[in-house]
Amino acid sequence: QMQLVQSGAEVKKPGSSVKVSCQASGGAFTDYAFSWVRQAPGQGLEWMGGIVPLFNTANYAQKFRGRITITADRLTTTAYMELPNLTSDDTAVYYCAGGRSRTYFADRWGQGTLVTVSS
Amino acid sequence: DIQMTQSPSTLSASIGDRVTITCRASQSIGTWLAWYQQKPGKAPKLLIYKASNLESGVPSRISGSGSGTEFTLTISSLEPDDFATYYCQKYDNYSPENIFGQGTKVEI
Repeated sequence: QMQLVQSGAEVKKPGSSVKVSCQASGGAFTDYAFSWVRQAPGQGLEWMGGIVPLFNTANYAQKFRGRITITADRLTTTAYMELPNLTSDDTAVYYCAGGRSRTYFADRWGQGTLVTVSS
Repeated sequence: DIQMTQSPSTLSASIGDRVTITCRASQSIGTWLAWYQQKPGKAPKLLIYKASNLESGVPSRISGSGSGTEFTLTISSLEPDDFATYYCQKYDNYSPENIFGQGTKVEI
C-alpha cells in the first residue's frame, strides 16, 4: 500500500517561497497521480494542482496558475509543490494526495504540512 | 468554470439516523465524483469514487449515487464514528479544475 510522507512544518516571511516534499513508498510511483490540496484554518479543502509522473504532466487550478510549481522526481519517488510570493492568506495545512490509476481522486494522503506565513 | 455545491452545510443527527448529503455540479460531470470524510486534525479519507463505488475498507452503510449534476452520499444508520465533515470532489484528469465542495459537517 502506498504511503506518503511529507516534509515538516514551515514558518515563512511574507514574500518568501515554500517548497513542500512528498515521499512515496510501498507502491508504483508512476501508477499514481499526485495532487496538492490545502486547507486554511477552519476552512474547506482546496485543490491546487497535480502531476502525473508517468507523463510528467502537471495541471494547475486557475487560482494558482502562474504561481505554483508542481514537480515529481521518479528516481526518488518524491513529489514537490513550490509556492512563491507567500502572504498570510497562504497559511494553511498543505496535503499531498495520491490517486491510483493516475486519477485525481485521492485514495492516499500524506500527513499534511503546516505552512505559517507571518512577519 | 464548474462549481460544486454541497447541502446542507451542517447536519444535526442522532445515532441510527439515515443521513443524506447532496452535491450539485453547475454542469454535467458524468460520474466523475468522489466523496471524502475528514475528522479534525486528520487528512481526508476516501469513501466513494466514480459516484457510487465504495472504497475498500469503507463500511457498507455508506453509499453514493447520482450522475450528471446531482449526487448524494447516504449513511444508512449513523454510527459514532461517522460524526465528521464530508466533502465531494469533481475530478477529471483532462481538466485542471478538480474542485471540492464546501463541505458538510455532520454533528450530534
